[in-house]
Amino acid sequence: GQNIDQPTEMTATEGAIVQINCTYQTSGFNGLFWYQQHAGEAPTFLSYNVLDGLEEKGRFSSFLSRSKGYSYLLLKELQMKDSASYLCAVRDGGGNKLTFGTGTQLKVEL
Amino acid sequence: DTAVSQTPKYLVTQMGNDKSIKCEQNLGHDTMYWYKQDSKKFLKIMFSYNNKELIINETVPNRFSPKSPDKAHLNLHINSLELGDSAVYFCASSQDSSGGWLEQYFGPGTRLTVT
Repeated sequence: GQNIDQPTEMTATEGAIVQINCTYQTSGFNGLFWYQQHAGEAPTFLSYNVLDGLEEKGRFSSFLSRSKGYSYLLLKELQMKDSASYLCAVRDGGGNKLTFGTGTQLKVEL
Repeated sequence: DTAVSQTPKYLVTQMGNDKSIKCEQNLGHDTMYWYKQDSKKFLKIMFSYNNKELIINETVPNRFSPKSPDKAHLNLHINSLELGDSAVYFCASSQDSSGGWLEQYFGPGTRLTVT
């Protein structure tokens, strides 16, 4: 089975940087995804890591350490519209079954 | 252009009824999924089909029956609805199920309320 942990809530200030952590335990790791979900909307893809290291995409970056079972999502230059839930999801094995964490609700304040 | 669409968006029904949710994707993807997101926002896979073949079938009551008439459609039929079935149901699709960098695209969700 899999166990994925994320903080439940975080609060940050507009313009600042925030790091959302995700730890996981899995029997057959084959990639980690980050999704963003605004209230009442569908999850949308942010990033994918399968090898160790940092993947950068504009204001968002995602890091993975497979040996530590750890990932983080880094959001820079926070904007009010970044207030959303951020979901960490792990793919186990060769198929495309994703197991999601419970999500981190990020609130960006002025 | 809508990539993954679901109908209806809202569904309110009484316990014991049977209802269906429809999903369609126009992305040309081979694999489609049904997820359930409960009141605590936990998103959990229910089923997955690849080219009309069932490939993921999680521990879901057999009151839930997915049907894929073709690879662009995946419907979810629920019999004898219970209060605990109240949730948002998301359909998703991806290019195929063989692994690799396979982003899943989600539909807008169907909010099911059982009274």
